[in-house]
Amino acid sequence: KAGVTQTPRYLIKTRGQQVTLSCSPISGHRSVSWYQQTPGQGLQFLFEYFSETQRNKGNFPGRFSGRQFSNSRSEMNVSTLELGDSALYLCASSSGSGAISYEQYFGPGTRLTVT
Amino acid sequence: AQTVTQSQPEMSVQEAETVTLSCTYDTSESDYYLFWYKQPPSRQMILVIRQEAYKQQNATENRFSVNFQKAAKSFSLKISDSQLGDAAMYFCAYRTGAGGSRLTFGEGTQLTVNP
Repeated sequence: KAGVTQTPRYLIKTRGQQVTLSCSPISGHRSVSWYQQTPGQGLQFLFEYFSETQRNKGNFPGRFSGRQFSNSRSEMNVSTLELGDSALYLCASSSGSGAISYEQYFGPGTRLTVT
Repeated sequence: AQTVTQSQPEMSVQEAETVTLSCTYDTSESDYYLFWYKQPPSRQMILVIRQEAYKQQNATENRFSVNFQKAAKSFSLKISDSQLGDAAMYFCAYRTGAGGSRLTFGEGTQLTVNP
């Protein structure tokens, strides 16, 4: 099976702009989670989508949003970018149900730089 | 809220020797899962090993094993016969058994393997 893919891999944006990141989960996986990784804050959970519904949400401002499509692909959007949004954004997928639903597989990440 | 603590920011080991990475966590739940992830310089997060809280037996995956002490809320990772390819950042992570795929990560331990 193909792994989790994320596009784009690298992105440079200017303060105040908005950005959309995409994640395609492993085939058959219905859960997609997003994480932000920064040197200062470490790995922080943004949100999880399961069957097109947001199932969990982390403690991030409303500028961070996401959605999931019927094919389980997910996008996250960050509006009004701030310098502090510069980070590696990781997407992870899992089956979302069943005995091994707890195993999550990560994509390679999108490196976002805000200038 | 659950917390995960890794008290060793950096560790080093000689090739072929054994090293143990420490992790403690805090939770009031009885049903949960614990994981160790590895993040090499490529930044791709790789699942190393998992442990279900309801299992008393410590998990083992080839050269990787854990020491799970539920009462002490401790979850250490032992790497035997260390190899140069083991050099990476290692993250301990917690997932509730109550539903959803949200992972709470520790701060990470940077492991160096010396030839």
